[in-house]
Amino acid sequence: GESVGLHLPTLSVQEGDNSIINCAYSNSASDYFIWYKQESGKGPQFIIDIRSNMDKRQGQRVTVLLNKTVKHLSLQIAATQPGDSAVYFCAERPGGYNKLIFGAGTRLAVHP
Amino acid sequence: KAGVTQTPRYLIKTRGQQVTLSCSPISGHRSVSWYQQTPGQGLQFLFEYFSETQRNKGNFPGRFSGRQFSNSRSEMNVSTLELGDSALYLCASSLSGRNTEAFFGQGTRLTVV
Repeated sequence: GESVGLHLPTLSVQEGDNSIINCAYSNSASDYFIWYKQESGKGPQFIIDIRSNMDKRQGQRVTVLLNKTVKHLSLQIAATQPGDSAVYFCAERPGGYNKLIFGAGTRLAVHP
Repeated sequence: KAGVTQTPRYLIKTRGQQVTLSCSPISGHRSVSWYQQTPGQGLQFLFEYFSETQRNKGNFPGRFSGRQFSNSRSEMNVSTLELGDSALYLCASSLSGRNTEAFFGQGTRLTVV
């Protein structure tokens, strides 16, 4: 499949471990944040979102944490599975309707 | 419910030519955004259309343009293609307004030779 990014930071984890992917966002005015997962040859897939009036939001096996003080976002994946291997992007929406600003991405590699 | 559909999936063009890419959003979604993805620059916002009007524009030259039709389908056009325009072009659709989930299509892989 196509390469999403040639020099992305990589997080390597063992199957069954918990994964934490971090992201620093840039705009203090951003009030909505999304995590996407992108597999090779596919478009980004929505994972979870969070609004700026929240600090934490949980989904199925995933949790997003937002720290507005230091403009930091994290995605926690519980019991990581081989199918979680992909590139993960955080995105912020700086108030301009549906314009998203994406982070550089992190490659998650899950080893059996 | 069908997802976001982009056509064509792959395209090879020659420098100087122009190209038109198509995006059909999820039924009922009125906002369509376009992004360019390259290994070097990552995902970058091109523009957003809502109810046939461009609502936001990124920092791309005027060679990149788009439009939206009354059925919310959108097209983007790149004129006078350059080698650096080779990229994955992604379309995302949202219901409308702010803070609504954006769903992406599979993208169109454009190669300029």
